[in-house]
Amino acid sequence: SQKIEQNSEALNIQEGKTATLTCNYTNYSPAYLQWYRQDPGRGPVFLLLIRENEKEKRKERLKVTFDTTLKQSLFHITASQPADSATYLCAPYKMDSSYKLIFGSGTRLLVRP
Amino acid sequence: KAGVTQTPRYLIKTRGQQVTLSCSPISGHRSVSWYQQTPGQGLQFLFEYFSETQRNKGNFPGRFSGRQFSNSRSEMNVSTLELGDSALYLCASSGGLAGVGTGELFFGEGSRLTVL
Repeated sequence: SQKIEQNSEALNIQEGKTATLTCNYTNYSPAYLQWYRQDPGRGPVFLLLIRENEKEKRKERLKVTFDTTLKQSLFHITASQPADSATYLCAPYKMDSSYKLIFGSGTRLLVRP
Repeated sequence: KAGVTQTPRYLIKTRGQQVTLSCSPISGHRSVSWYQQTPGQGLQFLFEYFSETQRNKGNFPGRFSGRQFSNSRSEMNVSTLELGDSALYLCASSGGLAGVGTGELFFGEGSRLTVL
């Protein structure tokens, strides 16, 4: 069955540093990989999407890579800020006849001032 | 453009009762999905509706049901509530005339259900 793994341990970094989060998946061949941010008690917010034929995607301080051979995506936040503290979820997506997304369990990021 | 609206935001029920949650998608979005989120299981897919038809269903018992109306608004119902149904229930909408695309979801703030 499809399995998506994200670091369950919280990532604790100093403000200004780069945060790197990992998403690994197995038994799956997604056409896209999406990243979401979720704050406590709130719904996830879509951040970025990367296609299988893209190696890297950037949006402001965010960078996502997608390695279909390793079945892995890396999510980077450069010049991190305390406001970046949240849980980040990845969701590999294989376009089919519906919008069913399977989410990883998420990695909690804590940026210390 | 208004976001996804879910009501109620918080509710408390007792075991054996039933509950109905409502979701209004972003204007123009025809797909509505429902997810259950618990600390132990994370985000779990419940079902997805498009143009009033259920297109996909997750691995949940028949006590969980949903429907979508012609204006794309959706409701989900949980009957015979159990303690384990306590969770944050999230609704998400997605756009696209064809109904299938890159799959970005726009979530509401959720309905927090507590079952006593």
